[in-house]
Amino acid sequence: DAGITQSPRHKVTETGTPVTLRCHQTENHRYMYWYRQDPGHGLRLIHYSYGVKDTDKGEVSDGYSVSRSKTEDFLLTLESATSSQTSVYFCAISDTLTEAFFGQGTRLTVV
Amino acid sequence: QKEVEQNSGPLSVPEGAIASLNCTYSDRVSQSFFWYRQYSGKSPELIMSIYSNGDKEDGRFTAQLNKASQYVSLLIRDSQPSDSATYLCAVIGSSNTGKLIFGQGTTLQVKP
Repeated sequence: DAGITQSPRHKVTETGTPVTLRCHQTENHRYMYWYRQDPGHGLRLIHYSYGVKDTDKGEVSDGYSVSRSKTEDFLLTLESATSSQTSVYFCAISDTLTEAFFGQGTRLTVV
Repeated sequence: QKEVEQNSGPLSVPEGAIASLNCTYSDRVSQSFFWYRQYSGKSPELIMSIYSNGDKEDGRFTAQLNKASQYVSLLIRDSQPSDSATYLCAVIGSSNTGKLIFGQGTTLQVKP
């Protein structure tokens, strides 16, 4: 299995609070992605990174920001969590873009 | 218009039949196409990739790509109950930044 770890695995937070999800890799892969998965929507790209400090928006970036200050870590921040951000969040990594490897997912509940 | 579109299903086939899953994409100059399988409660995993027009076979799986029609398909021959999962089509678009977009997934049910 690719060395990719998401933390936390589960989180319950209150509306309006900031939340940071962490994706850590030990593979030295260049590309990192954050997706959210909701019933009927597949995987929707939030933000992605193509190198240290190089990030771009995905399909559903509103309300989210990211940070990649070193190769191994890609942080996703919800500045002020809302109930619509309740979801399962997946991080993925890729080296040559021939395959993406996924973390175990983080289940976030905003109450 | 979504960048990658799939019929969400569910698609139900009997055991031993051929399952056909379809996907269309909007970026005409996309270069890389993938099929991922996701079991309930698990992470997606790659089952097929295809980069040029035509068919690519791997065991019971065949991926088909038609760039003129902007269409990708996955055929699963001799479907087994263990193939029951959600199948996600994914595309890397024209940018050189590695933007990987997924469709909404098709749920396949293989009935014994």
